[in-house]
Amino acid sequence: DVKVTQSSRYLVKRTGEKVFLECVQDMDHENMFWYRQDPGLGLRLIYFSYDVKMKEKGDIPEGYSVSREKKERFSLILESASTNQTSMYLCASSLVQGANTGELFFGEGSRLTVL
Amino acid sequence: GENVEQHPSTLSVQEGDSAVIKCTYSDSASNYFPWYKQELGKRPQLIIDIRSNVGEKKDQRIAVTLNKTAKHFSLHITETQPEDSAVYFCAASPGTASKLTFGTGTRLQVTL
Repeated sequence: DVKVTQSSRYLVKRTGEKVFLECVQDMDHENMFWYRQDPGLGLRLIYFSYDVKMKEKGDIPEGYSVSREKKERFSLILESASTNQTSMYLCASSLVQGANTGELFFGEGSRLTVL
Repeated sequence: GENVEQHPSTLSVQEGDSAVIKCTYSDSASNYFPWYKQELGKRPQLIIDIRSNVGEKKDQRIAVTLNKTAKHFSLHITETQPEDSAVYFCAASPGTASKLTFGTGTRLQVTL
């Protein structure tokens, strides 16, 4: 069974704080993703990574950065948290299957509240 | 980039009835269309997917149809049961990359 673990289920931070969200997967997947989930907006891609030290912007990268120093770990960083970043953050990983898109395996999510 | 629209946003059906959720996409290069189910408080999980070389795929009570000409695809659930109550997300991908664009979700409620 693929396991994607997000280190924090619930966080409360203050405006301007630096926030780290950590994600670890145990199945040697090449691809890792960070999505945010908001009611009525679905899942929106923030950043993704195809390999160690590789990163690409998704659809809503503003205000976020990422780090992938090891294959199994993908971190999302909010340099200066703002109230509009209050959301549920979902990490996911997938296996490269040639030219085909693979199944996404999601973590349980990190609910961030910025006061 | 890709844009995926999903309808309806909420759907209530009686147990045993069928449910249909529809999605449209904008990028003609998209060739992979998965559906994810998210139960309350849980993570999204893949329930079925279809690639552009087929028009329909079935797995027990769920089926997905794809019309590439019209750029739309649909999820069909027959003989609905209370455990089908969840939020369902469609998605589309060009396939040459693993990037998925999701729809906004449909909250399905199956009532007794």
